[in-house]
Amino acid sequence: EVQLVESGGGLVQPGGSLRLSCAASGFTFNIYNMNWVRQAPGKGLEWISYISSRSSSIYYADSVKGRFTISRDNAKNSLYLQMNSLRDEDTAVYYCARSLMVMDNAFDIWGQGTMVTVSS
Amino acid sequence: QSALTQPASVSGSPGQSITISCTGTSSDVGDYNYVSWYQQHPGKAPKLMIYEVSNRPSGVPDRFSGSKSGNTASLTISGLQAEDEADYYCSSYTSSSTLVVFGGGTKLTVL
Repeated sequence: EVQLVESGGGLVQPGGSLRLSCAASGFTFNIYNMNWVRQAPGKGLEWISYISSRSSSIYYADSVKGRFTISRDNAKNSLYLQMNSLRDEDTAVYYCARSLMVMDNAFDIWGQGTMVTVSS
Repeated sequence: QSALTQPASVSGSPGQSITISCTGTSSDVGDYNYVSWYQQHPGKAPKLMIYEVSNRPSGVPDRFSGSKSGNTASLTISGLQAEDEADYYCSSYTSSSTLVVFGGGTKLTVL
């Protein structure tokens, strides 16, 4: 079964750090581009980062640029998001999502999400 | 404020057709055929319904169709069913530094 499973969410104070992980299974992870998308409570979807299959291309949304770092380990079939200098407005469910082979900005497989709460 | 504009809500009765609009600019929807649509049920992850404006992934019913005219993309659902009740989001590639933009979402109610 094709699957993405996120982990690493939790409660963190403003200014703190957190590292999210996404474990992929059921498909050839190292040929797919990957993304992180978040959703604040009761709000819409927000794309935040993209990484190509070999990590040669990386993009960030302006809202997280300079604070978040996306990475991947193809040997471990894993995607990561290092989040630093966290703010209240970063509170959200964070999803990892696989890009379609034919269209980078369409996401055909999503994880179940991991909740990040930034609060003092 | 979202980069793409969607109506907050739409409704329809079972068997009817509804259309959800998604308005962007010449930097996203208007200039690229990279529009996709997602369905999200409460507490669940989004599901891809349409990509490249009008293509359906395997397993998505042909009741779901997409189109685009100028800066506005549309998702049409025909033969509405109770299970179609969900939130729907459009998305587009953008030439801005953001790369991908979403609409604010539309809540579909099946009466």
